[in-house]
Amino acid sequence: AQTVTQSQPEMSVQEAETVTLSCTYDTSENNYYLFWYKQPPSRQMILVIRQEAYKQQNATENRFSVNFQKAAKSFSLKISDSQLGDTAMYFCAFLTGNTGKLIFGQGTTLQVKP
Amino acid sequence: NAGVTQTPKFRVLKTGQSMTLLCAQDMNHEYMYWYRQDPGMGLRLIHYSVGEGTTAKGEVPDGYNVSRLKKKQNFLLGLESAAPSQTSVYFCASSGGTGGWNQPQHFGDGTRLSIL
Repeated sequence: AQTVTQSQPEMSVQEAETVTLSCTYDTSENNYYLFWYKQPPSRQMILVIRQEAYKQQNATENRFSVNFQKAAKSFSLKISDSQLGDTAMYFCAFLTGNTGKLIFGQGTTLQVKP
Repeated sequence: NAGVTQTPKFRVLKTGQSMTLLCAQDMNHEYMYWYRQDPGMGLRLIHYSVGEGTTAKGEVPDGYNVSRLKKKQNFLLGLESAAPSQTSVYFCASSGGTGGWNQPQHFGDGTRLSIL
């Protein structure tokens, strides 16, 4: 069975600095997709970034980028120039099979300090 | 531009009562999902649907039933006899369009359900 592990329950960063959130996963599949979702205190689930496993190039979205290491089954999220609005819980998620079933990690609570 | 709409947003039930959570999406997506989120945990899949009239079990289906009627846009989650262990925040999501199942899921705002 696929699993997703986020080993950092809580992290903090100073405004304008860079922070990296870790995620590892376990799967025997070769074709899959990985996501990072953000959940601010408003409880909304907001897509941050998406990575296709067959693409070697790391995905980027403005201040957000990933370091995708397929062999190591690692998928970390880097947030550059952190802003107060980045304060949220961040979930790593693995998309499996042809049914779109998402498997989520436990989440990392990120606090950006002024 | 509503996206995914969940009703109600909050509900308190007594043990043994029944209720139905409604999810509606206006994006004509084929795939719809119900998750629950408990403190300290990520979202866990309860049931899902890959198209009109079809449903399947997810990771934690016990105690829940679902319905995806002919109207593709709606996906109902039912609790027949609520238990305190079902106190949680429930999220509905949908995905589809070009590329199908591997597209990002769009989430509703969640329903906070408390069972006393």
